[in-house]
Amino acid sequence: GENVEQHPSTLSVQEGDSAVIKCTYSDSASNYFPWYKQELGKRPQLIIDIRSNVGEKKDQRIAVTLNKTAKHFSLHITETQPEDSAVYFCAASSFAYQFYFGTGTSLTVIP
Amino acid sequence: SQTIHQWPATLVQPVGSPLSLECTVEGTSNPNLYWYRQAAGRGLQLLFYSVGIGQISSEVPQNLSASRPQDRQFILSSKKLLLSDSGFYLCANTPGVSTEAFFGQGTRLTVV
Repeated sequence: GENVEQHPSTLSVQEGDSAVIKCTYSDSASNYFPWYKQELGKRPQLIIDIRSNVGEKKDQRIAVTLNKTAKHFSLHITETQPEDSAVYFCAASSFAYQFYFGTGTSLTVIP
Repeated sequence: SQTIHQWPATLVQPVGSPLSLECTVEGTSNPNLYWYRQAAGRGLQLLFYSVGIGQISSEVPQNLSASRPQDRQFILSSKKLLLSDSGFYLCANTPGVSTEAFFGQGTRLTVV
């Protein structure tokens, strides 16, 4: 099956700085790459996603980039705010229905 | 819009007792359904997924089983719980292939 690796496991940034989280995947058939944000004790919620026919996607302060050749994708958060503090998960999915998540990154934005 | 219901929200069970967690989906038909477990401070581990009634695929060998008796119902069970079964269990559904996954509120299971 798919193997999704995520780095770093923890990340602390000063408010206003940028945060970057990176993921790699192993299955070249994966074609959908979402990112989820999970606040403490709550369900993960989608914040942005990208498909394999797109190299980059941006939504306000959040952007995701995908390198299919290298099998890696990254989440970029600019102008971080304290409310961005949460655990972020990347995931990879293909037409085989399985939906695999990375191990998560705990982001702390220091005011 | 679709919603996914999962209950109970919290559960404390003794070792050796049975388990039944239920997940139901509204607002969509023939969803793909998933059970994930999240240990404290860890990632989301895929336990089971189902693409239709009676169709269950297991990702990891374990003390748990899953069933899908109806199109929009997914049940996670155990005959005898172990301490290592403690964790945060999440049900999820995707309305189609390679689409956003929607999660239930989760069940925090503590086996004592």
